[in-house]
Amino acid sequence: NAGVTQTPKFQVLKTGQSMTLQCAQDMNHNSMYWYRQDPGMGLRLIYYSASEGTTDKGEVPNGYNVSRLNKREFSLRLESAAPSQTSVYFCASLRQGGYEQYFGPGTRLTVT
Amino acid sequence: TQLLEQSPQFLSIQEGENLTVYCNSSSVFSSLQWYRQEPGEGPVLLVTVVTGGEVKKLKRLTFQFGDARKDSSLHITAAQPGDTGLYLCAGDWGKLQFGAGTQVVVTP
Repeated sequence: NAGVTQTPKFQVLKTGQSMTLQCAQDMNHNSMYWYRQDPGMGLRLIYYSASEGTTDKGEVPNGYNVSRLNKREFSLRLESAAPSQTSVYFCASLRQGGYEQYFGPGTRLTVT
Repeated sequence: TQLLEQSPQFLSIQEGENLTVYCNSSSVFSSLQWYRQEPGEGPVLLVTVVTGGEVKKLKRLTFQFGDARKDSSLHITAAQPGDTGLYLCAGDWGKLQFGAGTQVVVTP
């Protein structure tokens, strides 16, 4: 099992450009999450999907959209990137009834 | 948004010393998790505590959950360089709320 995979690992964007961060899990988990991690602020939830076909806003959803493509895949889209979106983005998944979230290796995004 | 405070923010110790990291909130958690994160990687779960007063041990790591389920601590005995990392607590209020983390550096 690969667990949770994320692509790309690194990305540099100019202000106003768009991009999609991809996430996939092969553990048959129902729930998936997108977080951003900034120095001194821990992990903050952007969006989550409790099950295939549903998505909900987290703590910091502005400037982002998500798609739960199927049970395995959950993508995060930045329509018009801003320097404030420079961060490390983590995807995570959780099995139904479980406590442990499994995290991907992260995408380091820089917006100039 | 529930607020989780971790202290200290940074801890640098010598190999063989003990250390304690704290996680506090004004709200009651249904459960609390501790994760460790190494550079360039995602967090990895160390333990979940659910019951007030619970103590769990993972080799040299001891985790305590406060009786009122509002605070927790992580104690490492005889720290080793391999314990170096960012330690994050996360409270469960239906969704996980993470603290800012404690960066631990253990030097040989």
